Amino acid sequence: EAQVTQNPRYLITVTGKKLTVTCSQNMNHEYMSWYRQDPGLGLRQIYYSMNVEVTDKGDVPEGYKVSRKEKRNFPLILESPSPNQTSLYFCASSLFSKAATDDGYTFGSGTRLTVV
Amino acid sequence: SQQGEEDPQALSIQEGENATMNCSYKTSINNLQWYRQNSGRGLVHLILIRSNEREKHSGRLRVTLDTSKKSSSLLITASRAADTASYFCATDTSGTYKYIFGTGTRLKVLA
Repeated sequence: EAQVTQNPRYLITVTGKKLTVTCSQNMNHEYMSWYRQDPGLGLRQIYYSMNVEVTDKGDVPEGYKVSRKEKRNFPLILESPSPNQTSLYFCASSLFSKAATDDGYTFGSGTRLTVV
Repeated sequence: SQQGEEDPQALSIQEGENATMNCSYKTSINNLQWYRQNSGRGLVHLILIRSNEREKHSGRLRVTLDTSKKSSSLLITASRAADTASYFCATDTSGTYKYIFGTGTRLKVLA
């Protein structure tokens, strides 16, 4: 089944303790992206990647890191999490960054992160 | 910054009625997409309309795009209780590789 898999689904952590949220897709998509969703603010893009070893900042990159060593994986790293990073996080992928097909993004199921 | 702004923020209708939601954006786009999200779950892609298209249909969905007004509308005909969800527009801004989502319209369809 074609899908984007995020882990973990839920995570409670303490301020300053480094964490990684994994994202993997099995569709051979070039483009992958991370979003955070907060009430009243919609989805905001954190980082995106157009292909292996090519990443760029979205609108809210502060406090996050990413890497794209393999095409299928795009982990999100919080080196020193803070309470304002408490949010619902989504990973998404697509075939082309400018959606040359009609398929759009495929989203993961989300990771609900709480930083205390 | 938010590129897309949906209107209304919330909409409540009876089953069988049509639901219309609108999206406005600020800059030139390559395409505009609509997504559905059921309560805290991942978004599901509904339909994509390119900047050179004016209208597109998919099942009970009809999307229009007016690039002169920088706006799009999503019409769901003959709505069902299962259509209850939040709907987001997303734009792929010309000259960038960013997809920007709006804040969404919460649709409630009453049985």
